[in-house]
Amino acid sequence: KQEVTQIPAALSVPEGENLVLNCSFTDSAIYNLQWFRQDPGKGLTSLLLIQSSQREQTSGRLNASLDKSSGRSTLYIAASQPGDSATYLCAVRGGGSEKLVFGKGTKLTVNP
Amino acid sequence: NAGVMQNPRHLVRRRGQEARLRCSPMKGHSHVYWYRQLPEEGLKFMVYLQKENIIDESGMPKERFSAEFPKEGPSILRIQQVVRGDSAAYFCASSPPTRETQYFGPGTRLLVL
Repeated sequence: KQEVTQIPAALSVPEGENLVLNCSFTDSAIYNLQWFRQDPGKGLTSLLLIQSSQREQTSGRLNASLDKSSGRSTLYIAASQPGDSATYLCAVRGGGSEKLVFGKGTKLTVNP
Repeated sequence: NAGVMQNPRHLVRRRGQEARLRCSPMKGHSHVYWYRQLPEEGLKFMVYLQKENIIDESGMPKERFSAEFPKEGPSILRIQQVVRGDSAAYFCASSPPTRETQYFGPGTRLLVL
């Protein structure tokens, strides 16, 4: 059974810092891994999707890496801004399955 | 192209009542997924449907919960005889035929009094 863990559960940083969010999963037989952003009371916004054959994806100030063999992914946020404050969710889709398995998220606060 | 739409956005029910949550997928999407987010918990998969078919309901509670995605109209998640433990945010997602990624709606926040 796939389990996804995100560390830390919460993170508070001053504006301008570079930061790393961590995601680990127990079953390396994945189809893809996705990072989402969730704002309070809102839905999920997809940030980056990494296929199992890929090592990383980049979008603007965001970079996500995937090490399938060790069951880890990281989301790197450069030059953080107060608008980046949100909960970041990592989700894994297993091979042969349509469902996404989510971690509990990392709640990020970027202080001005 | 409008995103995934869910209604109502907020729903209050008393214990024992029925809750009906609706999800309209994005245009051209024929695959719908329902997830539940309990307080302080991550999102948990409930069910995956295609038009008129339930493909995977491995995450659905065995009793009181049902889902459908008719040929015409939105997908419906139905909860009968709600209990306080059903209070949660229920998210719907849809995907195109390629099923490469899922697009999420804003969610329905259910509160059971």
